[in-house]
Amino acid sequence: DGGITQSPKYLFRKEGQNVTLSCEQNLNHDAMYWYRQDPGQGLRLIYYSQIVNDFQKGDIAEGYSVSREKKESFPLTVTSAQKNPTAFYLCASSIVQQETQYFGPGTRLLVL
Amino acid sequence: QQQVKQSPQSLIVQKGGISIINCAYENTAFDYFPWYQQFPGKGPALLIAIRPDVSEKKEGRFTISFNKSAKQFSLHIMDSQPGDSATYFCAASIGDSSYKLIFGSGTRLLVRP
Repeated sequence: DGGITQSPKYLFRKEGQNVTLSCEQNLNHDAMYWYRQDPGQGLRLIYYSQIVNDFQKGDIAEGYSVSREKKESFPLTVTSAQKNPTAFYLCASSIVQQETQYFGPGTRLLVL
Repeated sequence: QQQVKQSPQSLIVQKGGISIINCAYENTAFDYFPWYQQFPGKGPALLIAIRPDVSEKKEGRFTISFNKSAKQFSLHIMDSQPGDSATYFCAASIGDSSYKLIFGSGTRLLVRP
């Protein structure tokens, strides 16, 4: 089955700890995105990448980092600099030059 | 100017009724307006989308109405069913190379049996 997988489903972070959220897609899409979702708010773009080894900051990139070493993978690291990391994190992908984005099932990050 | 304002925040409709969710935008450069449906604990999925060259698009029980002059667009769900209970997000994007989506704040719809 083609699609986007995110792992883990739930993730717990301790104070001062960096954690990495996984996103893998087998749709052969060039573009990938990371969004953060908070209750009562829409999805906010953290980072996006249109091609391997290249990525751009979104609207709320501070405290996050990404890498794009492979077309199918776009991991997100939530660093200790992100003071309010508790949220639902969504990964998406799309064909470049097409607007439709396909979302993964999400990872819920909680702070201990 | 990059915002998309969505209302209402929540909506309760009886089974068989019409659900209406509204969105407004400021940036006239937006040229793609999708609606996404999200069930609890899941990622959003594209429901229906429209471009500003048409005023209405219908897919089954779901219709987008688009008013370019008012910079507003809305989602109508006809014959609403309990299975439609979900959070709905409108969004907008500019057809440049990034295709970044700007999302509304979401509407939580509950359809009572």
